[in-house]
Amino acid sequence: DQQVKQNSPSLSVQEGRISILNCDYTNSMFDYFLWYKKYPAEGPTFLISISSIKDKNEDGRFTVFLNKSAKHLSLHIVPSQPGDSAVYFCAAGRSGAGNEKLTFGTGTRLTIIP
Amino acid sequence: ETGVTQSPTHLIKTRGQQVTLRCSSQSGHNTVSWYQQALGQGPQFIFQYYREEENGRGNFPPRFSGLQFPNYSSELNVNALELDDSALYLCASSLDGGPLWGYTFGSGTRLTVV
Repeated sequence: DQQVKQNSPSLSVQEGRISILNCDYTNSMFDYFLWYKKYPAEGPTFLISISSIKDKNEDGRFTVFLNKSAKHLSLHIVPSQPGDSAVYFCAAGRSGAGNEKLTFGTGTRLTIIP
Repeated sequence: ETGVTQSPTHLIKTRGQQVTLRCSSQSGHNTVSWYQQALGQGPQFIFQYYREEENGRGNFPPRFSGLQFPNYSSELNVNALELDDSALYLCASSLDGGPLWGYTFGSGTRLTVV
């Protein structure tokens, strides 16, 4: 049962344009959502997060939007840069659950075209 | 020492064998979580250790076991290896099991079972 879904395995975007990565979840108990970026031969690195009490969180070029009623979140990257080319994972969890495990989506490979 | 280090980086084992993977947590982090990332999938939670005790387990059989040591380094042991155990194994350390955004991942061990 895939509780976190990223339906686009890959995405190509021109440098300087906006990249939008999408994620859907099914478990209404999730109250914290994160985006991780992963380069080959490296572990995932934390990018940005959002609590379920918010609908938007912004950090520089990265903005995450959360629509709880639709159980949907998205990551916007503006402007996209060549260094943004990587695999992006959406992850979700329940804060304060005692063991803070993350449930990941299958990832979206983002390619920025110069 | 900063960051999370995992060893070995690559490993090839034969079906039925046993394997031990090692993780050295980020300095000061007393919680370690292990994840399995199969090809084309997102990381899946195996288990978490907090102060040398198992503190939550995902949907993995008992032949997956772990240890955490007083210096917060840890091991993942897998017995009776199966071909489907071929994956990237990631460990992540955190302080007191959270917050969810506080995980630091290692670069992983790529296990191939033949």
